Amino acid sequence: AQSVSQHNHHVILSEAASLELGCNYSYGGTVNLFWYVQYPGQHLQLLLKYFSGDPLVKGIKGFEAEFIKSKFSFNLRKPSVQWSDTAEYFCAVDDSSASKIIFGSGTRLSIRP
Amino acid sequence: DGGITQSPKYLFRKEGQNVTLSCEQNLNHDAMYWYRQDPGQGLRLIYYSQIVNDFQKGDIAEGYSVSREKKESFPLTVTSAQKNPTAFYLCASTGQPSYGYTFGSGTRLTVV
Repeated sequence: AQSVSQHNHHVILSEAASLELGCNYSYGGTVNLFWYVQYPGQHLQLLLKYFSGDPLVKGIKGFEAEFIKSKFSFNLRKPSVQWSDTAEYFCAVDDSSASKIIFGSGTRLSIRP
Repeated sequence: DGGITQSPKYLFRKEGQNVTLSCEQNLNHDAMYWYRQDPGQGLRLIYYSQIVNDFQKGDIAEGYSVSREKKESFPLTVTSAQKNPTAFYLCASTGQPSYGYTFGSGTRLTVV
């Protein structure tokens, strides 16, 4: 069965620092990949998604992610974080064989002003 | 505005009681999902439904039940058999899973 691993449980950065959150998935076939964000007190929102084509995907609020098929990875990046990026971030993969999305355990990002 | 409405936002339940969480969507999505969110464990799938009058168990279905009598509605019942029901419950829907989900704002259930 498909699984998703997010190795960083809690990341603490200062404003303007660069961000990279790791995400690895287990299935080696065709996949659709997602990053969701949950700001404090708000519902989950889609940050970006990858279906096919250019492996570098750009999302909202300056986030991007790179799909590296050989490494089964889809890491999330942002060159310069802001205090407003404080949130929990979830990586997810579409398990097309069962018509459902599998989520990672999440990474909590805290930004020091 | 199209979206997903979950109610109530907060729910308190006494031990031994069943409670039902509401999820309604006006997005005309075929598929609907219930997830449970616990700190450090991410989102775990409870039940999902790809079409009216049909649903499948997810990874942690024990102690829960659902129905899908209408396309717009997918209520979740947390039964007394659920040993640790205190959690944040999220409902989601999609017209196509590969496009991603739309989420509701969640219901926080606390057993007192």
